[in-house]
Amino acid sequence: GQQVQQSPASLVLQEGENAELQCNFSTSLNSMQWFYQRPGGSLVSLFYNPSGTKHSGRLTSTTVIKERRSSLHISSSQTTDSGTYLCALDRGSALGRLHFGAGTQLIVIP
Amino acid sequence: NTKITQSPRYLILGRANKSLECEQHLGHNAMYWYKQSAEKPPELMFLYNLKQLIRNETVPSRFIPECPDSSKLLLHISAVDPEDSAVYFCASSPRTGGAFTGQLYFGEGSKLTVL
Repeated sequence: GQQVQQSPASLVLQEGENAELQCNFSTSLNSMQWFYQRPGGSLVSLFYNPSGTKHSGRLTSTTVIKERRSSLHISSSQTTDSGTYLCALDRGSALGRLHFGAGTQLIVIP
Repeated sequence: NTKITQSPRYLILGRANKSLECEQHLGHNAMYWYKQSAEKPPELMFLYNLKQLIRNETVPSRFIPECPDSSKLLLHISAVDPEDSAVYFCASSPRTGGAFTGQLYFGEGSKLTVL
């Protein structure tokens, strides 16, 4: 079954609102990585977070291993935040495979 | 991200052979090929760790990777099929030891359209 459940699938925000994106995982974790992807664009790494909380500008990532969840918080959203946010679980597999969530499509309207 | 460069960026093919190229300037040990079909997350095709190939067995044999040195990666595609239409991303990570992947960085992608 799906090892990483990402929610919500889509989200529409008014500019200035905050957003909370979640990934829940059912297996062991080495780290959770969060990516941003603009339509037609590449994946940009936002956070590599094995545990705890990390900050980068208006973005905050929190990984709680014992609760098997990782979240991405976007504060004071801007129209340029629109795009797809993907979480990816690194289990430390010898095959090097990251287990991606299905993604959250975020639209920020002015 | 100019630290992982891919070429060509766009290609349109009939049933032909083509090679994709990637070069990373991050000093990473591991390099990857990912395939991303429309509206889906990327799927791992191949991993080279310290020039050793680890293959995803579900990838069709018409895809042949090559790692001429630790900073370069090629993907040779022969007799492309319409289902191969996708964006192919090169990626790299430190992968300093064991099975620990480390932070993954992606290139800009090569968009393949098969007619």
